[in-house]
Amino acid sequence: KNEVEQSPQNLTAQEGEFITINCSYSVGISALHWLQQHPGGGIVSLFMLSSGKKKHGRLIATINIQEKHSSLHITASHPRDSAVYICAVGVEYGNKLVFGAGTILRVKS
Amino acid sequence: DGGITQSPKYLFRKEGQNVTLSCEQNLNHDAMYWYRQDPGQGLRLIYYSQIVNDFQKGDIAEGYSVSREKKESFPLTVTSAQKNPTAFYLCASQARTGTLYSNQPQHFGDGTRLSIL
Repeated sequence: KNEVEQSPQNLTAQEGEFITINCSYSVGISALHWLQQHPGGGIVSLFMLSSGKKKHGRLIATINIQEKHSSLHITASHPRDSAVYICAVGVEYGNKLVFGAGTILRVKS
Repeated sequence: DGGITQSPKYLFRKEGQNVTLSCEQNLNHDAMYWYRQDPGQGLRLIYYSQIVNDFQKGDIAEGYSVSREKKESFPLTVTSAQKNPTAFYLCASQARTGTLYSNQPQHFGDGTRLSIL
């Protein structure tokens, strides 16, 4: 079993839909990261959180430390949100990241 | 504009050849990382360095080598011992607060795609 599991693996949505991507982990962590990988391959850090909830524009990330679970929500989705979304957890006092396999999101207009 | 620069974007390797991937950062970050990405799999750590002239093996270091002679630079060499080098390689850097990295995000380059000729 992988230490970081994401679901779904693939997601297709219509423009304007509310999207949720889930991440579960099985190890002790210092923080959880949500990353976005563009079609060209570059990766951008969206959120880093160790408790509660963070919001940036149409993106919301939540984490439940007791349940070892995090969700990434996208409100009013848009075709430009199409990307791979990756969950990663910091281990060994944050010196290393363990990555999920990613969720491929496609938003159709 | 601060960031991480990886070069080249595409690289081809012949059988038995060593190739070197470049990673440079001007963020003044202490830690640098090399990851390998294969289709359908999460990024896997190859090597990392938390200080100049020091580096540690990650989960899949066999067939790879690195150096950290300057804070800004962390080149990765894919040696002929790496029998399946075709993959997407990402470099990242991270700032440090005291002795911990736990409250700092990693910054990624745009990657190098390596293929076998």
